[in-house]
Amino acid sequence: GAVVSQHPSRVICKSGTSVKIECRSLDFQATTMFWYRQFPKQSLMLMATSNEGSKATYEQGVEKDKFLINHASLTLSTLTVTSAHPEDSSFYICSGTSANYGYTFGSGTRLTVV
Amino acid sequence: DAKTTQPTSMDCAEGRAANLPCNHSTISGNEYVYWYRQIHSQGPQYIIHGLKNNETNEMASLIITEDRKSSTLILPHATLRDTAVYYCTGYGGFKTIFGAGTRLFVKA
Repeated sequence: GAVVSQHPSRVICKSGTSVKIECRSLDFQATTMFWYRQFPKQSLMLMATSNEGSKATYEQGVEKDKFLINHASLTLSTLTVTSAHPEDSSFYICSGTSANYGYTFGSGTRLTVV
Repeated sequence: DAKTTQPTSMDCAEGRAANLPCNHSTISGNEYVYWYRQIHSQGPQYIIHGLKNNETNEMASLIITEDRKSSTLILPHATLRDTAVYYCTGYGGFKTIFGAGTRLFVKA
């Protein structure tokens, strides 16, 4: 089946610094990748849709200057949380779409900003 | 994007079948019904999907009503490892919005 590799799985950073999360599709080409965030005991909230070679489309209320998304190739999308603050602490999940499995999700990144 | 409604939580005895319902009355004709589950602190895992016909794979069975307004995911012999949050979604090739899901507790 389709596999999406997401790194790092956990990261702790200081307030004001930036953190980059990588998401790679290992055995399929993901023209479109999606980024979600999830707070404890809540569902996944779609943050943005990224298409290879073009600018990401952000959902309402998501700051595009704070959550920078790059999708430079068909197998790699990155999310950079800039000038992170404690309220950005969350579980971030990426996913790519494939013909047979709909959404294939990464294993998630637990971000803690201290 | 289909809006889905699921029970907040359900219990199931180990070894028994778990039947998880989902209402997706706003699903459009070209949207598939997808089911995922999420175990704590992990990314969601694909379970099964279907359009009109009932489907079965090694993990589960999916029963879709004829009017496609609802579906049921069936785990035939639930184990403790099936304890997770289960999400049904509609997917037509565009973005997918997740509802709150059903928290399934499988008890020994």
